[in-house]
Amino acid sequence: KNEVEQSPQNLTAQEGEFITINCSYSVGISALHWLQQHPGGGIVSLFMLSSGKKKHGRLIATINIQEKHSSLHITASHPRDSAVYICAVGNSKGKLIFGTGTRLQVFP
Amino acid sequence: GAVVSQHPSRVICKSGTSVKIECRSLDFQATTMFWYRQFPKQSLMLMATSNEGSKATYEQGVEKDKFLINHASLTLSTLTVTSAHPEDSSFYICSARVLPKTGSNYGYTFGSGTRLTVV
Repeated sequence: KNEVEQSPQNLTAQEGEFITINCSYSVGISALHWLQQHPGGGIVSLFMLSSGKKKHGRLIATINIQEKHSSLHITASHPRDSAVYICAVGNSKGKLIFGTGTRLQVFP
Repeated sequence: GAVVSQHPSRVICKSGTSVKIECRSLDFQATTMFWYRQFPKQSLMLMATSNEGSKATYEQGVEKDKFLINHASLTLSTLTVTSAHPEDSSFYICSARVLPKTGSNYGYTFGSGTRLTVV
């Protein structure tokens, strides 16, 4: 079993839909990160969370430390949101442990 | 924000040659740089961790003589794939740990990646 599990693996949505991507982890963490990887390969850090909730534009990330679970929400999705979204947890040694990613496609 | 510039973005080389990939931190000092490899539709696999001024720490199964990492300054880390073979073809990406302005948790910033094709 992976230490970081994401679901779903693939997600297709119509423009404007509300999207949720889930992440569960089984290790102790210092912080949880949500990353976005576009088709060209570059990775952008979206959020770093250690508790509660953060919002940036149409993106919202939440974390429940007790349940070892985080969600990434995208409101009013747009085709430019199409990317792979990766959940990663930082361990006590300062390394990141990555989930397998969720491939999102938003159609107009 | 903290930016890491990675070059080249794409490189094609012949078998047996060596390829150097550079990652530069543009507006901060990167004391720690991580080097990852990614196969198509798979997650990032950590190859090694480099700390400025010291030898890199390689993950199990990664040949240190094959993948040479140098982190001689606080703004530059390099990965050299020596005597490249077609099986080394992959997407390589670096990431720097960023000291927090507030709090105690490190952030991470990523290079844009290098797609290496060995023919």
